[in-house]
Amino acid sequence: TQLLEQSPQFLSIQEGENLTVYCNSSSVFSSLQWYRQEPGEGPVLLVTVVTGGEVKKLKRLTFQFGDARKDSSLHITAAQTGDTGLYLCAGYAGGTSYGKLTFGQGTILTVHP
Amino acid sequence: DTGVSQDPRHKITKRGQNVTFRCDPISEHNRLYWYRQTLGQGPEFLTYFQNEAQLEKSRLLSDRFSAERPKGSFSTLEIQRTEQGDSAMYLCASSSAGGGYNEQYFGPGTRLTVT
Repeated sequence: TQLLEQSPQFLSIQEGENLTVYCNSSSVFSSLQWYRQEPGEGPVLLVTVVTGGEVKKLKRLTFQFGDARKDSSLHITAAQTGDTGLYLCAGYAGGTSYGKLTFGQGTILTVHP
Repeated sequence: DTGVSQDPRHKITKRGQNVTFRCDPISEHNRLYWYRQTLGQGPEFLTYFQNEAQLEKSRLLSDRFSAERPKGSFSTLEIQRTEQGDSAMYLCASSSAGGGYNEQYFGPGTRLTVT
């Protein structure tokens, strides 16, 4: 069974601070996706990383896939109150996994004004 | 493209009743997934369809759960004899088989409360 461990589970920071969320596994993934979820809504896809060592930027968000494709990180620079939400990483194993995603338990980010 | 839609958004039912949820995927997507999410957790995979064929079911999907995708378009998830432990957010997602990285797009979910 593939597992994704996300840390930290909770993050409470002031506007303007930087933060990093980690997503770790002992398994290799073909791709890894990051989602953001608001209360009462479904997850919204932010980015997909597929190549070991890949770095992708989305405005103030920087996503990195580990060289061995077992871990990933999300870094937010100068957080804003609008960044508040649940951040989820999800791995796709490929092969016979039929496309199902394995999710981490999520990081609840609260950015205070 | 209107995205993935789910109906209803909220459902409150009494224990023992049957409920059915509907999912309409993105129109050109032939892969459809159901996930369940409880408070404070990430979504957990329930089942997967490619076109109308149900290709995988999680062990989480007990005999009381059944899913269909009769014409390879919309899908329904039925829960019979609901239990309080079924209370959760039920999420539907779709993706294109042509996308090698399996990027899945989620609907807004159906929040089920079993009293």
